[in-house]
Amino acid sequence: RKEVEQDPGPFNVPEGATVAFNCTYSNSASQSFFWYRQDCRKEPKLLMSVYSSGNEDGRFTAQLNRASQYISLLIRDSKLSDSATYLCVVNGNAGNMLTFGGGTRLMVKP
Amino acid sequence: NAGVTQTPKFRVLKTGQSMTLLCAQDMNHEYMYWYRQDPGMGLRLIHYSVGEGTTAKGEVPDGYNVSRLKKQNFLLGLESAAPSQTSVYFCASRLWETQYFGPGTRLLVL
Repeated sequence: RKEVEQDPGPFNVPEGATVAFNCTYSNSASQSFFWYRQDCRKEPKLLMSVYSSGNEDGRFTAQLNRASQYISLLIRDSKLSDSATYLCVVNGNAGNMLTFGGGTRLMVKP
Repeated sequence: NAGVTQTPKFRVLKTGQSMTLLCAQDMNHEYMYWYRQDPGMGLRLIHYSVGEGTTAKGEVPDGYNVSRLKKQNFLLGLESAAPSQTSVYFCASRLWETQYFGPGTRLLVL
């Protein structure tokens, strides 16, 4: 079983739609959680950290469920520019290393 | 600030050849990382460094060596390239919980 698992998609949604991605992780000792965004043939960039209480950044909402060991990302009012691959990332108990999921591809259509 | 830069951007090698990938960062970060990204596999950690003169193995270190002689530079070496090392290689540096990635090096081993 992979340490961090994501549905690879693609998720095809129309502009303005709300879309949600989930991610599960296997290491119950994981301490920190993140969503990174990766555009085609580009490097990953931090989208947002995920806090235990849940957090929001504009149209993006991230939530953490430690009991079930999953993380979610909700995107409201999707824009064409949201088309990208979203990587779920977990910082394990080693502290120095991040573990990346395989990514979920989102395609927003006009 | 240039951030994180990688050299070269693209390279074709023949099996058995050697090469060195250079990563440079101008943000004075202590931590640096080398990843490889393959389709459907996500990013996998090869080696990392927690400071000048230190290196440590990641998830997939076999076939690679690294050196961190200067704080700003992290070199990844392939002593005898194999077709299985065809991949996109990303370098990253870290400040607190955020990793900053370079633009990547695309390597093709024939």
